[in-house]
Amino acid sequence: GQNIDQPTEMTATEGAIVQINCTYQTSGFNGLFWYQQHAGEAPTFLSYNVLDGLEEKGRFSSFLSRSKGYSYLLLKELQMKDSASYLCAVRDDDYKLSFGAGTTVTVRA
Amino acid sequence: IAGITQAPTSQILAAGRRMTLRCTQDMRHNAMYWYRQDLGLGLRLIHYSNTAGTTGKGEVPDGYSVSRANTDDFPLTLASAVPSQTSVYFCASSVSSGSGTDTQYFGPGTRLTVL
Repeated sequence: GQNIDQPTEMTATEGAIVQINCTYQTSGFNGLFWYQQHAGEAPTFLSYNVLDGLEEKGRFSSFLSRSKGYSYLLLKELQMKDSASYLCAVRDDDYKLSFGAGTTVTVRA
Repeated sequence: IAGITQAPTSQILAAGRRMTLRCTQDMRHNAMYWYRQDLGLGLRLIHYSNTAGTTGKGEVPDGYSVSRANTDDFPLTLASAVPSQTSVYFCASSVSSGSGTDTQYFGPGTRLTVL
């Protein structure tokens, strides 16, 4: 089976930086995705990593280490609108996504 | 506006009743998916379809069935609903069944309560 772990909750202050870690053990690997999901809404795509290293997209960056089965999502210059759940998902050998339970980030003023 | 629509938005259903959740996309995506999302468990794949005319089972298929008669529509049917099927159901689609940066796009979800 697939095992994807991420912290349940994180709290940070507006303007700060938060790092959300994700570790995975899956049957094969064909890429790792991060999604953002605001309460009561659909998940929306944030980032994709398939090679080791850092991918930067504005205030959000995502890192991958395939040998360690590890990724993180870095949110910089936090804004109140960043309060949401962040979902780590791994695409396996069958090209299906397996999701972690999600990390709820609360941004405080 | 292109995207994925789901209906109904929410539904309360008596146990034992049959229910079909509808999903339509207008992006001409080949692959479509149904997930359920439960607190503390994340999104779990129920069924998928890599292309019109084909379907496959995901992680939690029991009690659910799907069909894919055309590219745009992918209905999910609960033949005889049970309380454990109370959940939020998301439909998603992607250009293909998975290559490169192929991303899944999600519909707004259906909140289903089975009493």
